[in-house]
Amino acid sequence: ETGVTQSPTHLIKTRGQQVTLRCSSQSGHNTVSWYQQALGQGPQFIFQYYREEENGRGNFPPRFSGLQFPNYSSELNVNALELDDSALYLCASSIRTGGSYGYTFGSGTRLTVV
Amino acid sequence: GENVEQHPSTLSVQEGDSAVIKCTYSDSASNYFPWYKQELGKGPQLIIDIRSNVGEKKDQRIAVTLNKTAKHFSLHITETQPEDSAVYFCAAKQSGTYKYIFGTGTRLKVLA
Repeated sequence: ETGVTQSPTHLIKTRGQQVTLRCSSQSGHNTVSWYQQALGQGPQFIFQYYREEENGRGNFPPRFSGLQFPNYSSELNVNALELDDSALYLCASSIRTGGSYGYTFGSGTRLTVV
Repeated sequence: GENVEQHPSTLSVQEGDSAVIKCTYSDSASNYFPWYKQELGKGPQLIIDIRSNVGEKKDQRIAVTLNKTAKHFSLHITETQPEDSAVYFCAAKQSGTYKYIFGTGTRLKVLA
């Protein structure tokens, strides 16, 4: 059973650029959630995808967008990067069935905006 | 809005002693409370969880207690070992959503 894999592991971008982060969910999981973790803070919910549609969104502007593919993998896109977007971006997969809530997190992508 | 407060922010204990981390949540509709351990350079790893219809759950050296009335839940680690050193996060999930609200984390150091 493979876990959640994210790519790339590290990334440096310039303010104003766009970035795409990728996530492969754990085998058997059909839901993907994205979180932003600033240094020294807990993860903050960005959004969740289920059946290729966004299903819930946190307090993030529209320049944060995503996709989920038929194989349940996912992308997080951020446009017009700002310095404050520098953070660890975590992908978490889960099974959306009654009574099952547990996330499996990937190791994250460390994004630095300069 | 929903909020989870976590204390303490740092905790140092001697190897073999117990460690307790406490969290308070604001949304009474929360129904699931996981605890995650995050080591340097890695993503959070689920170590134990509890649902709102249960008051206590134990897994070897780790236990979690939940007081729904006071909206408190706590992580208890007994017989701590150096490999328990990490950052621990509590979280709360609101009923009807799949969104977790995380606490700000506790850096646990177990001194050998």
